[in-house]
Amino acid sequence: DAGITQSPRHKVTETGTPVTLRCHQTENHRYMYWYRQDPGHGLRLIHYSYGVKDTDKGEVSDGYSVSRSKTEDFLLTLESATSSQTSVYFCAISGTPGGGTDTQYFGPGTRLTVL
Amino acid sequence: AQSVTQLDSQVPVFEEAPVELRCNYSSSVSVYLFWYVQYPNQGLQLLLKYLSGSTLVKGINGFEAEFNKSQTSFHLRKPSVHISDTAEYFCAVWGLTGGGNKLTFGTGTQLKVEL
Repeated sequence: DAGITQSPRHKVTETGTPVTLRCHQTENHRYMYWYRQDPGHGLRLIHYSYGVKDTDKGEVSDGYSVSRSKTEDFLLTLESATSSQTSVYFCAISGTPGGGTDTQYFGPGTRLTVL
Repeated sequence: AQSVTQLDSQVPVFEEAPVELRCNYSSSVSVYLFWYVQYPNQGLQLLLKYLSGSTLVKGINGFEAEFNKSQTSFHLRKPSVHISDTAEYFCAVWGLTGGGNKLTFGTGTQLKVEL
């Protein structure tokens, strides 16, 4: 398995509080991604990074921000959590720039509950 | 834009029976196609992928899929399922429309194998 860890694995928080999820990789892959998984929606891309300090929005980016200050870490921040952000969050990585030939490897996920 | 449709949200099947999980995609350009599997409380792992060449692709755990360009389909099959195949299966497409290395996922099919 690709060396991807996510922390925390579970979190319960209250509406309006800030939350930061961390994705850490030991594979030196260039691309990193944050997805959310919800029943009936599959996985939807929140943000992705194509290099250190290079990030872009996905299809469901509202209410989320990201940062990548070094290759191995990709942080997802909910500035003010809402109940609609209750979900399971997955980080993924892939290696080569561009091209669909690259497989994405997924972390174990973080289950976030916003009360 | 590209999209993926998995028509069956749940597929029950008896052990040792064959199974087919359906996936149709929409894209105006060439695509690469993937099937991922998610076991309970885990991340996604790649089952198989189609990039080019032979339209019949073999993956792990005895699964295979056939790319059909005229029908824009990429159905997943296994001739004889096992209890351990119980999981959720996701079809995904990556299209050469630019925008970086991103996947679009279907909503998933829950395969339940019964004795």
